Amino acid sequence: GQNIDQPTEMTATEGAIVQINCTYQTSGFNGLFWYQQHAGEAPTFLSYNVLDGLEEKGRFSSFLSRSKGYSYLLLKELQMKDSASYLCAVMDSNYQLIWGAGTKLIIKP
Amino acid sequence: DGGITQSPKYLFRKEGQNVTLSCEQNLNHDAMYWYRQDPGQGLRLIYYSQIVNDFQKGDIAEGYSVSREKKESFPLTVTSAQKNPTAFYLCASNDRENSPLHFGNGTRLTVT
Repeated sequence: GQNIDQPTEMTATEGAIVQINCTYQTSGFNGLFWYQQHAGEAPTFLSYNVLDGLEEKGRFSSFLSRSKGYSYLLLKELQMKDSASYLCAVMDSNYQLIWGAGTKLIIKP
Repeated sequence: DGGITQSPKYLFRKEGQNVTLSCEQNLNHDAMYWYRQDPGQGLRLIYYSQIVNDFQKGDIAEGYSVSREKKESFPLTVTSAQKNPTAFYLCASNDRENSPLHFGNGTRLTVT
């Protein structure tokens, strides 16, 4: 079956760096997405990786290793507003999105 | 500003009643999707539509129905046949297969 694994919850300190991991097993691969979702709100797009390597976008970076079925989202200079759930989603060979359950990130002052 | 509008934000219904959730987009996107989000689970696809007057079942279509009569609109009906309808429902759209999804703000449905 198809599966996406990410930690359920993580805690970090304001100003620090946190890495949220995502491992996947899917039927084919057409890209991996990261979304941010604040409680009770819509997910918003953060990043897309389809080739191996690191994509940097401001304070957020996303890394992909297709051979290892692994990605991470790196958040630097954490701010209180970064408290949210972070969703990992993989597009399979049929262009269907498989979603992880999300990682709830708690930022402490 | 372009976007996706879902209404209402909160909806309460009695068991046995059908209810329709609205989703409208002005992004000129061809594809639209309905997802259900439950605590501790990933988003699950209910139905999707890639073109007007055509739609396909997702992973959990039983107890739901949709229509796509206009490009801008993709309403979802939760029927009385859906065994566990209480959930957060998200509508989304995109303009091509591997482009990011744009989401509406969701409708939280509570059935008692």
